[in-house]
Amino acid sequence: DAKTTQPTSMDCAEGRAANLPCNHSTISGNEYVYWYRQIHSQGPQYIIHGLKNNETNEMASLIITEDRKSSTLILPHATLRDTAVYYCIVQRGGSEKLVFGKGTKLTVNP
Amino acid sequence: NAGVTQTPKFQVLKTGQSMTLQCAQDMNHNSMYWYRQDPGMGLRLIYYSASEGTTDKGEVPNGYNVSRLNKREFSLRLESAAPSQTSVYFCASRAGGGTQYFGPGTRLLVL
Repeated sequence: DAKTTQPTSMDCAEGRAANLPCNHSTISGNEYVYWYRQIHSQGPQYIIHGLKNNETNEMASLIITEDRKSSTLILPHATLRDTAVYYCIVQRGGSEKLVFGKGTKLTVNP
Repeated sequence: NAGVTQTPKFQVLKTGQSMTLQCAQDMNHNSMYWYRQDPGMGLRLIYYSASEGTTDKGEVPNGYNVSRLNKREFSLRLESAAPSQTSVYFCASRAGGGTQYFGPGTRLLVL
């Protein structure tokens, strides 16, 4: 599975959009981009995933570049409860294994 | 619908003691996983089970054994605990797609 690169930490003001980048320059054609987050020491929580097209759900939007070498997770109106570590993971469809990096620590400030 | 549950929530062991961490899911998922997370690190896969009756090693299997008791339950056993196994342990399950659903974790301290 392709490796990903994320910034170690980011800050965002409450109510503003949080844009979390992820680089996955070695991604293969059958690999999906997944985003999870981990609030404090809870179990990771699935946010969103995509293959080629941009995706949106009730939690976030995922923007994938045309060459698929990078993506951005967007939390449109960040709240204090969005403070968490966000993991970008690239995974083959049907693969059993998720490989977690260290993620991005997002702090939403009042 | 409880999702993925784990017991116990906390445990303190002495070096050399054994224990079993329990995990159960009520989502009828085929695949189940055990991860460990050390302070400041991402999760690392210990073992997984793609279906009832099968188990496979992950990235860090040494010192652990697993049992897929049935479709719902997947247990992790430490036969002789070591301080290096102090960690937070997460169980997860997955349906046909790639999304994994995680339990709340078991915090283990080995003295």
